Amino acid sequence: GQSLEQPSEVTAVEGAIVQINCTYQTSGFYGLSWYQQHDGGAPTFLSYNALDGLEETGRFSSFLSRSDSYGYLLLQELQMKDSASYFCASGAGSYQLTFGKGTKLSVIP
Amino acid sequence: NAGVTQTPKFRVLKTGQSMTLLCAQDMNHEYMYWYRQDPGMGLRLIHYSVGEGTTAKGEVPDGYNVSRLKKQNFLLGLESAAPSQTSVYFCASSYNIGPMEGRGYEQYFGPGTRLTVT
Repeated sequence: GQSLEQPSEVTAVEGAIVQINCTYQTSGFYGLSWYQQHDGGAPTFLSYNALDGLEETGRFSSFLSRSDSYGYLLLQELQMKDSASYFCASGAGSYQLTFGKGTKLSVIP
Repeated sequence: NAGVTQTPKFRVLKTGQSMTLLCAQDMNHEYMYWYRQDPGMGLRLIHYSVGEGTTAKGEVPDGYNVSRLKKQNFLLGLESAAPSQTSVYFCASSYNIGPMEGRGYEQYFGPGTRLTVT
């Protein structure tokens, strides 16, 4: 089985940088994904790390360390619209994703 | 393209009633999934399908059945609804891209169905 741990809530100031951590325990691991979900909305894909290192997509970056069973999502130049829940997710084959319980990010002025 | 659509958007059932949730995708994806989302619990996989005519159990399959008669449709059935099935249900689909090929676990989600069982 798989389990992923992430903080339940994070608050950050508009324009700042925030890091959301995710640690995982898996019996098989193919990579770490990140999803964003606004209140009342559907999850949307942000990024995926299959290999160790940093993946950058605009203001968002994601990092993976397989040796530490750890990853993080980095959001730069925070905007009010970034207020949402962020989920890390991992798969162990057959594309079955196990999701963490989510981190609710609040961006304040 | 509409992407992933779900029907209905909202539903209230009485305990013991049955219903079917419909998911449709127009992206020609091989893989489709049903999740439920409860407060503080994240998304949990109910059932999934890796192709037309095939289905498999996920993490929380009890009380649900599914069918994938056509590639573009994935149905979730509740035979005898219980209050514990009150949740938001999301359907998702994905390509069968290998996990080592970028965006290997990118899933496309529908807007969700809010189900209340009283």
